Amino acid sequence: DIQMTQSPSSLSASVGDRVTITCRASQGISNYLAWFQQKPGKAPKSLIYAASNLQSGVPSKFSGSGSGTDFTLTISSLQPEDFATYYCQQYNSYPRTFGQGTKVEIK
Amino acid sequence: QVQLQESGPGLVKPSGTLSLTCAVSGGSISSSDCWSWVRQPPGKGLEWIGEIYQSESTNYNPSLKSRVTISIDKSKNQFSLKLSSVTAADTAVYYCAREEVGLDVWGQGTTVTVSS
Repeated sequence: DIQMTQSPSSLSASVGDRVTITCRASQGISNYLAWFQQKPGKAPKSLIYAASNLQSGVPSKFSGSGSGTDFTLTISSLQPEDFATYYCQQYNSYPRTFGQGTKVEIK
Repeated sequence: QVQLQESGPGLVKPSGTLSLTCAVSGGSISSSDCWSWVRQPPGKGLEWIGEIYQSESTNYNPSLKSRVTISIDKSKNQFSLKLSSVTAADTAVYYCAREEVGLDVWGQGTTVTVSS
């Protein structure tokens, strides 16, 4: 199985901050990488697919980059509604695997 | 726009079979090629269970493969999950999702508790 490792596991940030989350794959996955946002008690919401493509309706403050084994999710200016847990997921090979999650909290 | 809704028993006895259905509304299940199941144990991360294609071919997580069956019923516009020989470790929120551009549409999730 491909292991997906996110860093950090949690972070504290202020409204307006620029936030970057990293996801590393244990082997190359080309650009078959997705990012999700999950709020407590809610289903995950797809933000980005194919490493850098924004899902329809997702604000442009979210951006993704990377290829191969190293990927990043950036939130350009953190807003109150962005405090949540973020997951990466590879869909290059089976089984599909998720990162352990990064919890973004209010400082 | 397509919406997904999971349904099924919220409580399953140990060694029993968990059975869930995902109803597709706002569009035809035949309009997308791949449909998936993901679960999340309490306080933990996401685990991919498996997927089914329009051709009815399936892919499962090897960690669950011997116990999992995913099927599709195009006449009812739904797909289903069965997980046999359940234990407390199968207690989780179960989500169904469409895979088109990644897992782009998700159901709200349904909580299944395994307990006697």
